Amino acid sequence: NAGVIQTPRHKVTGKGQEATLWCEPISGHSAVFWYRQTIVQGLEFLTYFRNQAPIDDSGMPKERFSAQMPNQSHSTLKIQSTQPQDSAVYLCASSPDWGGYEQYFGPGTRLTVL
Amino acid sequence: GDKVKQSPSALSLQEGTNSALRCNFSIAATTVQWFLQNPRGSLMNLFYLVPGTKENGRLKSAFDSKESYSTLHIRDAQLEDSGTYFCAAEARQGGRALIFGTGTTVSVSP
Repeated sequence: NAGVIQTPRHKVTGKGQEATLWCEPISGHSAVFWYRQTIVQGLEFLTYFRNQAPIDDSGMPKERFSAQMPNQSHSTLKIQSTQPQDSAVYLCASSPDWGGYEQYFGPGTRLTVL
Repeated sequence: GDKVKQSPSALSLQEGTNSALRCNFSIAATTVQWFLQNPRGSLMNLFYLVPGTKENGRLKSAFDSKESYSTLHIRDAQLEDSGTYFCAAEARQGGRALIFGTGTTVSVSP
C-alpha cells in the first residue's frame, strides 16, 4: 500500500499563474479531503469528496480555488491567479468511508508563490 | 475562537521521562485523531479514538467526549519521539472535516 500520493511535492509559481495539485487516494478509500497548512493559520480544512461527489467545500476560499474528483483514483486542487498568500503546504487525505473512519494523509505539496 | 485548544505549545523532555499532552474542545467532538508530524512534514497516524482509551507501545491516549478533552501520554521518551504532535477532532455539526489543534512541539534530548 503506497499510501496517499501527492504530486508535485514542491511547486513554485509566479504571482498570477495557475497551480494544479494532484492527489491519489489510498485504493479503496471513498472519501478524499484537502487541507492547507501555514505557519499563521495552522492546519485548516478546505473541501472533501465522497464517492467522487463534492460533499463539503466550506473551507475553500470563494474565489480562485476549485477542486474536482473526476474518478476514484485522483483528485485535483486548482488555484487560479495565484497570490503570495496562497503559499502553503496543501495536504490531501483519504479515509475508507462514511463518518467514524480514520483519515490518512499524503506528504503534501509545498506551494510557493513568488 | 479556538475550537481545539492544545497544550502545551512546546515541551522539552529528557530521554526516559514521561509526559502528557492535552486537547480541550469547545465543539461537540465525536472522534479524535492524534498525529505526529515529522521533520519532513508528513503526518503520521498515532491514534483514532471514539470515546475511550487506546495504547500502543509507549504511547497511550484517551478521549472523553462528555468532558470534551483528549490526552496523549508519552512514557519513557526516546529521541525518535521528537516532532510536532497534533490532535484533530470531528465535530458532530461539522461533518467529516477534521478541526486541528495548534500542535505541541516535543524535543527529546539525551
